[in-house]
Amino acid sequence: EAQVTQNPRYLITVTGKKLTVTCSQNMNHEYMSWYRQDPGLGLRQIYYSMNVEVTDKGDVPEGYKVSRKEKRNFPLILESPSPNQTSLYFCASMGLGTSETQYFGPGTRLLVL
Amino acid sequence: QKEVEQDPGPLSVPEGAIVSLNCTYSNSAFQYFMWYRQYSRKGPELLMYTYSSGNKEDGRFTAQVDKSSKYISLFIRDSQPSDSATYLCAMSGGGSNYKLTFGKGTLLTVNP
Repeated sequence: EAQVTQNPRYLITVTGKKLTVTCSQNMNHEYMSWYRQDPGLGLRQIYYSMNVEVTDKGDVPEGYKVSRKEKRNFPLILESPSPNQTSLYFCASMGLGTSETQYFGPGTRLLVL
Repeated sequence: QKEVEQDPGPLSVPEGAIVSLNCTYSNSAFQYFMWYRQYSRKGPELLMYTYSSGNKEDGRFTAQVDKSSKYISLFIRDSQPSDSATYLCAMSGGGSNYKLTFGKGTLLTVNP
């Protein structure tokens, strides 16, 4: 089954404790992206990657890092989480050269205390 | 002016009603227009995709894009309780990062 998976699905942590949210896709998509969803603000792009070793900032990159060492994986790293990073995070992927349709993972709900 | 405007609702309709959801946008470079459906505690699921202006129909769903007015619509015919969800419009184009710009979503409830 074609899908985007994320882990963990739920996470409670404390300020300053580094964490990583994993994202994996099995569709051989070149493009992957991270979004956060907040009430009243909608979905906003954090980082994106056009292919292995090619990443760039989206609209709200502050406090986040990403890496793309393999085509299928695109982890989101919070080196020193803060309460304003409490949010619902979505990973998405898309095949380049096809229709510009992105497929989303199930989401990771993060609470930073 | 926000790039994408979407009435957040909530919208409540009886089963069988025709539902109309709309978004307006300001960036004339947008070329790809999508509607996503998001159930509570789930990720957005692609519902409809349209390139440039025109209509597209898929079962009970019809998407319309009017680029001259910068206005897109989603119509749901014979609405069902299972259609109850948040509907997000999204658009892209004009940039190299394929970023989707989303509306804030409209919460729809279809009552049996």
